[in-house]
Amino acid sequence: GAVVSQHPSWVICKSGTSVKIECRSLDFQATTMFWYRQFPKQSLMLMATSNEGSKATYEQGVEKDKFLINHASLTLSTLTVTSAHPEDSSFYICSAREAGVETGELFFGEGSRLTVL
Amino acid sequence: GQNIDQPTEMTATEGAIVQINCTYQTSGFNGLFWYQQHAGEAPTFLSYNVLDGLEEKGRFSSFLSRSKGYSYLLLKELQMKDSASYLCAPWDSNYQLIWGAGTKLIIKP
Repeated sequence: GAVVSQHPSWVICKSGTSVKIECRSLDFQATTMFWYRQFPKQSLMLMATSNEGSKATYEQGVEKDKFLINHASLTLSTLTVTSAHPEDSSFYICSAREAGVETGELFFGEGSRLTVL
Repeated sequence: GQNIDQPTEMTATEGAIVQINCTYQTSGFNGLFWYQQHAGEAPTFLSYNVLDGLEEKGRFSSFLSRSKGYSYLLLKELQMKDSASYLCAPWDSNYQLIWGAGTKLIIKP
């Protein structure tokens, strides 16, 4: 099946710094990628929908200036957490949908665990 | 290694009951999630089990046996809108979700 890879799997950073997470579709082209956040023992929450070549669509309550999303190519989307604070510590996961596939099946990355000290 | 095993596809009839099984092998365990995902949409949370036994929530129930590395999702009184993929996702010792490929459930009238 299609593979979506996220990097890094783990990241620890100091408060106030920025962290970039990459999401790559390895064997297919993805016009749409989704970014989620999940806090411990809570459900996966959609943060934003990333569309190749256009601005991301953010869910209500998600600060677009804090969570910068770039989807510059059909195989790569990046999420940058700017000026990270401890409350941003969470598990971030992306998923991607293959371009031109009618079923719209989503393939998920492994996730990235962010810890802000 | 870490592994999730779910049936690829299941078919059931409207109004019936269906059980979707999931077996898993993970490095440590901190609970297991079930998600529902309709085609082209983000997954939605269904249940979380951390202790052995059955958790009931309306038409959906989820069971966990940690010693067997086994879980199932039980859907009752099936409706057409239940046609979706169902994702079993255990949490390993590092609190990383291990995602299975999901089970595509097809409901027929």
